[in-house]
Amino acid sequence: DIQMTQSPSSLSASVGDRVTITCRASQSISSYLNWYQQKPGKAPKLLIYAASSLQSGVPSRFSGSGSGTDFTLTISSLQPEDFATYYCQQSYSTPGFTFGPGTKVDIK
Amino acid sequence: QVQLVESGGGVVQPGRSLRLSCAASGFTFSSYGMHWVRQAPGKGLEWVAVIWYDGSNKYYADSVKGRFTISRDNSKNTLYLQMNSLRAEDTAVYYCARESFYCSGGSCYSNFDYWGQGTLVTVSS
Repeated sequence: DIQMTQSPSSLSASVGDRVTITCRASQSISSYLNWYQQKPGKAPKLLIYAASSLQSGVPSRFSGSGSGTDFTLTISSLQPEDFATYYCQQSYSTPGFTFGPGTKVDIK
Repeated sequence: QVQLVESGGGVVQPGRSLRLSCAASGFTFSSYGMHWVRQAPGKGLEWVAVIWYDGSNKYYADSVKGRFTISRDNSKNTLYLQMNSLRAEDTAVYYCARESFYCSGGSCYSNFDYWGQGTLVTVSS
């Protein structure tokens, strides 16, 4: 089974900061990597698919990069509505779509 | 607009059963694979099960295999999760999610583009 890890597990940042979250797969998954945002009490929301493609309606301050085992989600200028938990998910080894453990972004 | 609405959650004793439903609207339900994903209180996301668009294939996480059954009724635009022999560790919010594909350069990439609001299942005596 492919294992996913994320770092950091949490971070504190200020509005306007550039934020980077890393996701690592236990084996190469090419670009089969998605990113989701989840706010408390809400369902996850798809942000990035296929490692770097921005989902329709998602602000352009979100971007994804990487291939193989190492991936990055970047928020170029953190906004108040971006405080949430972010999850990566591999879609290489299906049907088990493994999620990372999450990175919580909160206010400094 | 695409909508997924779960129902059927509640409090159930260990060893008992529960059936969740996910009513879909706003898209051609019979054209999409559908998933169940759960989230224990204060924990991360755990994929539970998938069913292909036509119901021909079903797969489960090891943690629920043999106890949970995913099914669908395309005539009713509804996805189901039959949960038997429930355990305390099955306590979670259960989400249904639609699987979409993005194809480029000869490869197709899956993602979960729409999610329901979730339904809480609490297994407790």
